[in-house]
Amino acid sequence: DAGVIQSPRHEVTEMGQEVTLRCKPISGHNSLFWYRQTMMRGLELLIYFNNNVPIDDSGMPEDRFSAKMPNASFSTLKIQPSEPRDSAVYFCASSPQLNYGYTFGSGTRLTVV
Amino acid sequence: DQQVKQNSPSLSVQEGRISILNCDYTNSMFDYFLWYKKYPAEGPTFLISISSIKDKNEDGRFTVFLNKSAKHLSLHIVPSQPGDSAVYFCAASGSNYKLTFGKGTLLTVNP
Repeated sequence: DAGVIQSPRHEVTEMGQEVTLRCKPISGHNSLFWYRQTMMRGLELLIYFNNNVPIDDSGMPEDRFSAKMPNASFSTLKIQPSEPRDSAVYFCASSPQLNYGYTFGSGTRLTVV
Repeated sequence: DQQVKQNSPSLSVQEGRISILNCDYTNSMFDYFLWYKKYPAEGPTFLISISSIKDKNEDGRFTVFLNKSAKHLSLHIVPSQPGDSAVYFCAASGSNYKLTFGKGTLLTVNP
């Protein structure tokens, strides 16, 4: 079991550019979560999916953020256009169903300059 | 509005002693509580949990205590080991299964 795989591990981009973060959940896990970690706000839930369907996106900060899950093995989080305040570590997590057994990926550290 | 609060950003203890990490919550609808541990450059990993119908759950060196009337939970690690040095996150959830995390406490266990 390779765990939850996120790519890239690090991303440095210029303000205004589009950024796409990728996540491969654990095979067989039906729920997928995107979290963002910052010093000021800690770990915040951005959006979560169940069976590829977005259930709650109330944590998505602005329209610049969008997330998709086209199939059970892949999800993306896109920021367009990116801003310096988007700099954070973005985590993806998956679980077998909508319960508490989350497994987190190693995260993507995003820096927007 | 932080619904889950970890008021101590850091804690330092001596190896072999007890580590006590605290967490407070404000949402009375939370009924399940978890602790996660995070090493640098890794994602959080699940450590221990407790349901609101219990007031204590123990797993080896780790014990979580829940005081519902005070809306407070704590994680006890005894004895503490240098490998326990990490950031510990408290998390809580209600019927919608969304986990709300605290900001974390950095535990340093000194040899």
